[in-house]
Amino acid sequence: GAVVSQHPSRVICKSGTSVKIECRSLDFQATTMFWYRQFPKQSLMLMATSNEGSKATYEQGVEKDKFLINHASLTLSTLTVTSAHPEDSSFYICSAIGPDNTGELFFGEGSRLTVL
Amino acid sequence: SQQGEEDPQALSIQEGENATMNCSYKTSINNLQWYRQNSGRGLVHLILIRSNEREKHSGRLRVTLDTSKKSSSLLITASRAADTASYFCATDASGDKIIFGKGTRLHILP
Repeated sequence: GAVVSQHPSRVICKSGTSVKIECRSLDFQATTMFWYRQFPKQSLMLMATSNEGSKATYEQGVEKDKFLINHASLTLSTLTVTSAHPEDSSFYICSAIGPDNTGELFFGEGSRLTVL
Repeated sequence: SQQGEEDPQALSIQEGENATMNCSYKTSINNLQWYRQNSGRGLVHLILIRSNEREKHSGRLRVTLDTSKKSSSLLITASRAADTASYFCATDASGDKIIFGKGTRLHILP
């Protein structure tokens, strides 16, 4: 099956710094990837839809200047949390629509961000 | 905004029993999916059911879909300890966006 790799799995940073999270489709091309944020024991909140070669589409209430998304190739999307603050601490998960286009999503393992 | 809403929010059952989780949604869909998430991990796809299907099976999983009631159920038969996880339904709310419900936390007791 399709594999999505997300890196890093855990990151700790100081307030005010920026953190980049990578999401790669390892054995297929993903023109569309999704970025979610998940709080403890809660559901996944869609942050943005990342489209290869074009600007990401952000959900209402998500600051595009705060959460920079770049989808420069068919196998890589990155999420950069800029000027991170403690309230940005969360579990961030990416996903991609699988190669057979059935609608099934393939998820990365998630990245736990802790901002001190 | 969240499209789906599962109930119960949490469920504890004895190993070997069947577990049933329900999902309700608000708008028309093309398909509905169920995913499992182990604590602190990514999500794993379980099953997809299309709007013109009423029931689907995969191993110990049985999913039903009632588009008139805008609801779906996931049944796990003969539960095992390894089934302990959170289960989410997801719908294609609009275009390529897939929106997840709040999830059911399932705990299988030994």
